[in-house]
Amino acid sequence: IAGITQAPTSQILAAGRRMTLRCTQDMRHNAMYWYRQDLGLGLRLIHYSNTAGTTGKGEVPDGYSVSRANTDDFPLTLASAVPSQTSVYFCASSDQPRGGRGALHFGNGTRLTVT
Amino acid sequence: KNQVEQSPQSLIILEGKNCTLQCNYTVSPFSNLRWYKQDTGRGPVSLTIMTFSENTKSNGRYTATLDADTKQSSLHITASQLSDSASYICVVTSDNYGQNFVFGPGTRLSVLP
Repeated sequence: IAGITQAPTSQILAAGRRMTLRCTQDMRHNAMYWYRQDLGLGLRLIHYSNTAGTTGKGEVPDGYSVSRANTDDFPLTLASAVPSQTSVYFCASSDQPRGGRGALHFGNGTRLTVT
Repeated sequence: KNQVEQSPQSLIILEGKNCTLQCNYTVSPFSNLRWYKQDTGRGPVSLTIMTFSENTKSNGRYTATLDADTKQSSLHITASQLSDSASYICVVTSDNYGQNFVFGPGTRLSVLP
Protein backbone atom coordinates (compact mmCIF):
# COMPACT_ATOMS: atom_id res chain seq x y z
CA ILE A 1 0.00 0.00 0.00
CA ALA A 2 1.49 3.33 -1.09
CA GLY A 3 2.02 5.92 1.57
CA ILE A 4 4.18 7.10 4.43
CA THR A 5 5.48 4.83 7.17
CA GLN A 6 6.62 6.29 10.48
CA ALA A 7 8.40 4.45 13.27
CA PRO A 8 8.15 4.02 16.13
CA THR A 9 4.42 4.52 16.75
CA SER A 10 5.12 5.77 20.23
CA GLN A 11 8.11 6.20 22.50
CA ILE A 12 8.87 7.25 26.05
CA LEU A 13 12.28 8.85 26.27
CA ALA A 14 14.37 10.09 29.17
CA ALA A 15 15.47 13.71 28.97
CA GLY A 16 18.94 14.08 27.54
CA ARG A 17 18.72 10.96 25.40
CA ARG A 18 19.16 10.94 21.63
CA MET A 19 16.30 9.73 19.44
CA THR A 20 15.70 9.32 15.72
CA LEU A 21 12.19 9.21 14.31
CA ARG A 22 12.01 7.35 11.05
CA CYS A 23 9.96 8.26 7.99
CA THR A 24 9.80 6.42 4.67
CA GLN A 25 7.59 7.12 1.67
CA ASP A 26 7.07 5.01 -1.43
CA MET A 27 5.35 7.59 -3.63
CA ARG A 28 8.60 9.06 -4.99
CA HIS A 29 7.55 12.51 -3.81
CA ASN A 30 10.24 15.16 -3.99
CA ALA A 31 9.17 17.19 -0.96
CA MET A 32 9.04 15.88 2.60
CA TYR A 33 8.18 17.58 5.86
CA TRP A 34 8.28 17.05 9.61
CA TYR A 35 5.57 18.62 11.76
CA ARG A 36 4.74 18.54 15.44
CA GLN A 37 1.19 18.65 16.68
CA ASP A 38 0.40 19.96 20.13
CA LEU A 39 -3.01 20.29 21.74
CA GLY A 40 -4.80 23.48 20.69
CA LEU A 41 -2.20 24.40 18.09
CA GLY A 42 -2.03 23.82 14.37
CA LEU A 43 0.65 21.59 12.97
CA ARG A 44 3.97 23.41 13.08
CA LEU A 45 6.75 22.81 10.60
CA ILE A 46 10.05 21.63 12.06
CA HIS A 47 12.16 20.92 8.98
CA TYR A 48 11.53 20.30 5.32
CA SER A 49 13.27 18.95 2.24
CA ASN A 50 12.34 20.00 -1.28
CA THR A 51 14.40 17.25 -2.88
CA ALA A 52 16.97 14.62 -1.97
CA GLY A 53 20.18 16.22 -0.74
CA THR A 54 18.60 19.46 0.47
CA THR A 55 16.95 20.44 3.75
CA GLY A 56 15.62 23.60 5.32
CA LYS A 57 14.43 24.93 8.66
CA GLY A 58 10.79 25.45 9.42
CA GLU A 59 9.00 27.37 12.13
CA VAL A 60 10.30 25.40 15.15
CA PRO A 61 13.65 23.79 14.21
CA ASP A 62 15.59 24.20 17.47
CA GLY A 63 16.66 20.91 19.02
CA TYR A 64 15.97 18.92 15.85
CA SER A 65 17.99 17.90 12.82
CA VAL A 66 17.16 16.08 9.60
CA SER A 67 18.90 14.49 6.65
CA ARG A 68 17.72 13.51 3.17
CA ALA A 69 20.19 11.06 1.69
CA ASN A 70 17.65 9.68 -0.79
CA THR A 71 14.12 10.35 -2.04
CA ASP A 72 12.35 7.87 0.21
CA ASP A 73 13.77 8.49 3.69
CA PHE A 74 13.62 11.57 5.89
CA PRO A 75 14.68 10.85 9.50
CA LEU A 76 14.24 13.39 12.29
CA THR A 77 16.78 13.38 15.12
CA LEU A 78 16.50 14.84 18.59
CA ALA A 79 20.10 15.16 19.75
CA SER A 80 19.31 15.66 23.45
CA ALA A 81 15.61 15.39 24.21
CA VAL A 82 13.88 17.87 26.53
CA PRO A 83 10.36 17.65 28.04
CA SER A 84 9.09 20.45 25.77
CA GLN A 85 9.63 18.09 22.84
CA THR A 86 6.82 15.90 24.10
CA SER A 87 4.43 15.93 21.16
CA VAL A 88 3.01 13.97 18.26
CA TYR A 89 5.28 14.10 15.25
CA PHE A 90 3.97 13.77 11.71
CA CYS A 91 5.96 13.18 8.57
CA ALA A 92 4.40 14.33 5.30
CA SER A 93 5.26 14.34 1.63
CA SER A 94 4.14 16.23 -1.45
CA ASP A 95 4.75 15.84 -5.14
CA GLN A 96 5.02 19.61 -5.42
CA PRO A 97 7.41 21.57 -3.28
CA ARG A 98 6.13 24.98 -2.27
CA GLY A 99 2.52 23.87 -2.01
CA GLY A 100 0.63 24.36 -5.22
CA ARG A 101 -2.18 21.88 -5.79
CA GLY A 102 0.03 18.92 -5.07
CA ALA A 103 -1.33 16.36 -2.66
CA LEU A 104 0.03 16.50 0.88
CA HIS A 105 0.14 13.04 2.42
CA PHE A 106 0.72 12.32 6.10
CA GLY A 107 1.98 9.37 8.05
CA ASN A 108 0.15 8.22 11.16
CA GLY A 109 2.51 9.93 13.54
CA THR A 110 4.92 9.13 16.35
CA ARG A 111 3.74 9.97 19.86
CA LEU A 112 6.82 10.99 21.85
CA THR A 113 6.91 11.55 25.59
CA VAL A 114 10.06 12.99 27.12
CA THR A 115 10.29 12.47 30.88
CA LYS B 1 1.09 37.49 10.45
CA ASN B 2 -0.18 34.54 8.43
CA GLN B 3 -2.82 32.78 10.48
CA VAL B 4 -5.68 30.34 10.13
CA GLU B 5 -8.45 30.35 12.71
CA GLN B 6 -11.20 27.78 13.07
CA SER B 7 -14.48 27.74 14.91
CA PRO B 8 -15.95 26.23 16.88
CA GLN B 9 -13.12 24.61 18.81
CA SER B 10 -15.34 21.60 19.40
CA LEU B 11 -18.83 20.51 18.43
CA ILE B 12 -21.18 17.73 19.49
CA ILE B 13 -24.07 16.70 17.24
CA LEU B 14 -26.45 13.78 16.95
CA GLU B 15 -26.12 11.22 14.20
CA GLY B 16 -28.03 12.22 11.10
CA LYS B 17 -27.79 15.96 11.74
CA ASN B 18 -25.94 18.46 9.59
CA CYS B 19 -23.20 20.79 10.76
CA THR B 20 -20.96 23.55 9.45
CA LEU B 21 -17.39 24.27 10.47
CA GLN B 22 -15.76 27.65 9.89
CA CYS B 23 -12.29 28.74 8.82
CA ASN B 24 -10.96 32.31 8.61
CA TYR B 25 -7.51 33.08 7.31
CA THR B 26 -5.15 35.99 6.90
CA VAL B 27 -2.60 34.17 4.73
CA SER B 28 -1.30 36.22 1.83
CA PRO B 29 -0.65 35.63 -0.98
CA PHE B 30 -3.19 32.85 -1.38
CA SER B 31 -2.71 29.72 -3.45
CA ASN B 32 -5.32 27.25 -2.25
CA LEU B 33 -7.29 26.09 0.77
CA ARG B 34 -7.61 22.51 1.93
CA TRP B 35 -9.75 20.69 4.44
CA TYR B 36 -8.37 17.62 6.17
CA LYS B 37 -10.00 15.02 8.40
CA GLN B 38 -7.91 13.60 11.23
CA ASP B 39 -9.17 10.54 13.06
CA THR B 40 -7.87 9.97 16.59
CA GLY B 41 -4.39 8.48 16.49
CA ARG B 42 -4.06 8.88 12.74
CA GLY B 43 -2.55 11.39 10.33
CA PRO B 44 -4.68 13.98 8.51
CA VAL B 45 -6.36 12.86 5.30
CA SER B 46 -7.33 15.29 2.55
CA LEU B 47 -11.03 15.99 1.95
CA THR B 48 -11.05 18.91 -0.49
CA ILE B 49 -8.78 21.47 -2.09
CA MET B 50 -9.97 24.77 -3.60
CA THR B 51 -8.15 27.45 -5.51
CA PHE B 52 -8.97 31.15 -5.66
CA SER B 53 -11.49 30.71 -8.47
CA GLU B 54 -13.43 27.85 -6.88
CA ASN B 55 -16.37 28.70 -4.63
CA THR B 56 -17.43 25.20 -3.69
CA LYS B 57 -16.10 21.66 -3.76
CA SER B 58 -17.84 18.48 -2.69
CA ASN B 59 -16.58 15.11 -1.58
CA GLY B 60 -19.51 12.86 -0.79
CA ARG B 61 -21.31 14.26 2.25
CA TYR B 62 -18.65 16.93 2.69
CA THR B 63 -19.06 20.29 0.93
CA ALA B 64 -16.49 23.04 1.28
CA THR B 65 -17.08 26.66 0.31
CA LEU B 66 -14.61 29.46 -0.20
CA ASP B 67 -15.07 33.22 -0.20
CA ALA B 68 -11.69 34.60 -1.21
CA ASP B 69 -12.87 38.19 -0.79
CA THR B 70 -13.69 37.78 2.91
CA LYS B 71 -11.03 35.09 3.40
CA GLN B 72 -13.49 32.63 4.83
CA SER B 73 -14.21 28.98 4.19
CA SER B 74 -16.72 26.54 5.58
CA LEU B 75 -17.05 22.78 5.64
CA HIS B 76 -20.59 21.47 5.67
CA ILE B 77 -21.25 17.88 6.68
CA THR B 78 -24.59 16.45 5.64
CA ALA B 79 -26.41 13.60 7.39
CA SER B 80 -23.60 13.00 9.86
CA GLN B 81 -22.43 9.51 10.72
CA LEU B 82 -20.60 8.17 13.75
CA SER B 83 -17.50 7.81 11.58
CA ASP B 84 -17.47 11.57 11.05
CA SER B 85 -16.21 11.95 14.62
CA ALA B 86 -12.76 13.44 14.08
CA SER B 87 -10.83 16.68 13.99
CA TYR B 88 -11.22 18.79 10.87
CA ILE B 89 -8.27 20.93 9.91
CA CYS B 90 -8.25 23.91 7.56
CA VAL B 91 -4.95 24.46 5.72
CA VAL B 92 -4.10 27.46 3.58
CA THR B 93 -1.27 27.32 1.08
CA SER B 94 0.73 30.39 0.23
CA ASP B 95 3.22 30.66 -2.57
CA ASN B 96 5.64 32.76 -0.60
CA TYR B 97 5.40 31.97 3.12
CA GLY B 98 7.91 29.61 4.71
CA GLN B 99 7.17 26.21 3.35
CA ASN B 100 3.73 27.26 2.41
CA PHE B 101 1.22 25.26 4.44
CA VAL B 102 -0.43 27.22 7.26
CA PHE B 103 -2.53 24.99 9.50
CA GLY B 104 -5.51 25.89 11.61
CA PRO B 105 -5.87 24.36 15.10
CA GLY B 106 -8.78 22.19 14.00
CA THR B 107 -12.38 21.65 15.10
CA ARG B 108 -13.09 18.53 17.12
CA LEU B 109 -16.42 17.00 16.00
CA SER B 110 -18.17 14.34 18.03
CA VAL B 111 -21.18 12.58 16.51
CA LEU B 112 -23.33 10.81 19.06
CA PRO B 113 -25.85 8.01 18.39
